[in-house]
Amino acid sequence: KAGVTQTPRYLIKTRGQQVTLSCSPISGHRSVSWYQQTPGQGLQFLFEYFSETQRNKGNFPGRFSGRQFSNSRSEMNVSTLELGDSALYLCASSIGSTGRRNTEAFFGQGTRLTVV
Amino acid sequence: DAKTTQPNSMESNEEEPVHLPCNHSTISGTDYIHWYRQLPSQGPEYVIHGLTSNVNNRMASLAIAEDRKSSTLILHRATLRDAAVYYCILTGGRGSTLGRLYFGRGTQLTVWP
Repeated sequence: KAGVTQTPRYLIKTRGQQVTLSCSPISGHRSVSWYQQTPGQGLQFLFEYFSETQRNKGNFPGRFSGRQFSNSRSEMNVSTLELGDSALYLCASSIGSTGRRNTEAFFGQGTRLTVV
Repeated sequence: DAKTTQPNSMESNEEEPVHLPCNHSTISGTDYIHWYRQLPSQGPEYVIHGLTSNVNNRMASLAIAEDRKSSTLILHRATLRDAAVYYCILTGGRGSTLGRLYFGRGTQLTVWP
């Protein structure tokens, strides 16, 4: 089956601009989570969406937001970009429910965002 | 989030076994132990998970201490492709949705030819 698809793979933006990243989860998965990865902080959880609702949120400023559509595809948006937002943004999809079938999260290859 | 402790780095020679340790002294009774790895320029990928008993799959084995306060990921014959950062993660058992994973810093495994 097709994996998690993130677009675009690379992006260069200027300070102050905004950016939208996209994630298409594995078919049938209802949970989409977003992570930020930087050399200094490692992998940090941003938020999780399940059935179009934000279910969990990490410790990031309000400039970071997201949404999920009825087909489970998700977007995350970062407004008023800062240099420190330069990072690899990873999306993960999983079944989203609890129980025996929910054994792993599948990650995309990420979007590399550079803010100049 | 329940925390795990892993060595920052480890090295191995190709085709030798590798034992990657993880300490999780505050693990709760329902926490599963998951291992993920991240190869260069890729997203993390699932390796294995377990609760109490040792587990084997095509990629690796997971040995869990009797008191569950530590575990060891075993790669039976390391290959160059196994060079990656390995993360040991606790999840909240069957009540967990896997939607929020705490990665920590992981162990950077270097494999020498």
